[in-house]
Amino acid sequence: GENVEQHPSTLSVQEGDSAVIKCTYSDSASNYFPWYKQELGKRPQLIIDIRSNVGEKKDQRIAVTLNKTAKHFSLHITETQPEDSAVYFCAASIGGSYIPTFGRGTSLIVHP
Amino acid sequence: DTGVSQNPRHKITKRGQNVTFRCDPISEHNRLYWYRQTLGQGPEFLTYFQNEAQLEKSRLLSDRFSAERPKGSFSTLEIQRTEQGDSAMYLCASETSVGEQYFGPGTRLTVT
Repeated sequence: GENVEQHPSTLSVQEGDSAVIKCTYSDSASNYFPWYKQELGKRPQLIIDIRSNVGEKKDQRIAVTLNKTAKHFSLHITETQPEDSAVYFCAASIGGSYIPTFGRGTSLIVHP
Repeated sequence: DTGVSQNPRHKITKRGQNVTFRCDPISEHNRLYWYRQTLGQGPEFLTYFQNEAQLEKSRLLSDRFSAERPKGSFSTLEIQRTEQGDSAMYLCASETSVGEQYFGPGTRLTVT
């Protein structure tokens, strides 16, 4: 089955810095890669996603890149703010079934 | 509120008791997913439905776990003969036609 590795497990940055979270996947058939933000005690929220026919996608301060050959994808957050502090999860799934395999999460801490 | 809802939000039960959780998805979403999340981990897929059909149930954690979606609207997840290891957050998500998943607030189960 699919295996998703996520790094780092914890990321601490100063407000205004950029943050990068990386994930690798094992199944070359995976073609949908969402990212979720989960604040303490809250539900996971979809923040951005990318499909395998696209190499990069941006939405304001967040962007996701995908390298299909290397089977890795990354989340980039620019100009971080304290409210970006949360656990971020990547996931990979095979289109059609859309059953995602999640990474173990990255705890992002943005210091004011 | 037009989002995904789950009830109850918290459930404390004694080992050996049966519990049932309910999920009400976003009304226009045909697919509904159940996950388990433990501390420090990403959501772990359990099962999912396309309308009333359960399309994947081999990843339910044991035969003590079962799920239904009898009319293709709300769904229930039942755990029989609960064990302490069942203590976790149980999340439900409903999915758009292009695979975007929206999570409910979860039901936190504590088995004493």
